[in-house]
Amino acid sequence: GAGVSQSPSNKVTEKGKDVELRCDPISGHTALYWYRQSLGQGLEFLIYFQGNSAPDKSGLPSDRFSAERTGGSVSTLTIQRTQQEDSAVYLCASSLGQGYEKLFFGSGTQLSVL
Amino acid sequence: GDSVTQMEGPVTLSEEAFLTINCTYTATGYPSLFWYVQYPGEGLQLLLKATKADDKGSNKGFEATYRKETTSFHLEKGSVQVSDSAVYFCALRPGGSYIPTFGRGTSLIVHP
Repeated sequence: GAGVSQSPSNKVTEKGKDVELRCDPISGHTALYWYRQSLGQGLEFLIYFQGNSAPDKSGLPSDRFSAERTGGSVSTLTIQRTQQEDSAVYLCASSLGQGYEKLFFGSGTQLSVL
Repeated sequence: GDSVTQMEGPVTLSEEAFLTINCTYTATGYPSLFWYVQYPGEGLQLLLKATKADDKGSNKGFEATYRKETTSFHLEKGSVQVSDSAVYFCALRPGGSYIPTFGRGTSLIVHP
């Protein structure tokens, strides 16, 4: 694909339900990032994948959040037992690798927890 | 920890006005500095960057100079257009890290 693709673009869920958010990075990009953007806040780092290395999970806010990246390509961010404070835009970005500073972002998934 | 502080928005200007969006940072060592722009309905995209002190990044008429003495990276444009209306994010990547830290973003609205 031409760019980073995220799906769904919008997700409305009920408190307590689990949700999965998907990110398709640019082909050939080995680095992948997840960020969260809450209303009026900056981008909050969640997790970073680089190739086959263990991910940097230092930004995950609680153990309800997890992410995986299969085959070094597609990534899924899972939020279990969603809470209202999880409502935000979840952004995915990729880059050619850890030495490359330019990130390419998807349009994000707007998550609303009712 | 590392952090980026941007001026509050929205910034509202008339077309052809001069633009400044302030950005200051806190970081150890020698970070790289960035401005990203997010147009309505689109993902963030890199606008310009600077990797060392006194470097000037420029693109599409926008400029920013890496000022280590004032820990600043202010974004400027001499004459804004309606098409520049967007949200602008200042960011840094610490030396030795691969994870950028972003500011809160500043919304720019340009009227004809």
